[in-house]
Amino acid sequence: EVQLVESGGVLVQPGRSMKLSCAASGFTFSSFPMAWVRQAPTKGLEWVATISTSGGSTYYRDSVKGRFTISRDNAKSTLYLQMDSLRSEDTATYYCTTVFYWGQGVMVTVSS
Amino acid sequence: DVVLTQTPPTLSATIGQSVSISCRSSQSLLHSNGNTYLHWLLQRPGQSPQLLIYLVSRLESGVPNRFSGSGSGTDFTLKISGVEAEDLGVYYCVQGTHAPMYTFGAGTKLELK
Repeated sequence: EVQLVESGGVLVQPGRSMKLSCAASGFTFSSFPMAWVRQAPTKGLEWVATISTSGGSTYYRDSVKGRFTISRDNAKSTLYLQMDSLRSEDTATYYCTTVFYWGQGVMVTVSS
Repeated sequence: DVVLTQTPPTLSATIGQSVSISCRSSQSLLHSNGNTYLHWLLQRPGQSPQLLIYLVSRLESGVPNRFSGSGSGTDFTLKISGVEAEDLGVYYCVQGTHAPMYTFGAGTKLELK
């Protein structure tokens, strides 16, 4: 059974940092590009970042470029999202996904 | 950037009614490899999205066959032939043709009339 389990979400002040993790199992993690997708409260789905199978290539939406870093550890079947200089507009549920498979999501609240 | 326009934004249906959702892309979703990476997701209340249909018309394992997908190029449709209570939620189309940047439609909320 495919499982994607996110962790790391919490309440954080604007300007601070947070790192999300996603533990994958049930499929060959190293064979899939991985992505983070977020959903602000009552809003739709929004792509945040993608990483290639090797981790050598990364892509970001404009609003998070320079602040967020996606990475992966294929030996541990784990995906990460380092989020720096957080803003209130980053408040959302963050999903780890291959687009076909989805985690349960982790809530990130940026507020003073 | 690719924009996916989903209509209608809200759909009210009775149990057993057949309904359709449209997803139109601002660019062709036909990849140079011949595949069309247009998929449909369902997000039930309080849950994460789940895959219903991939590559336009292929039913994900375990998804009831009352769901079907069709279309090509820039115009795509999801049809539910006989809505059931468990089908309520928000439906999203998503394109992967122009990955690594994925684009989602704004969603269609299916409600009971």
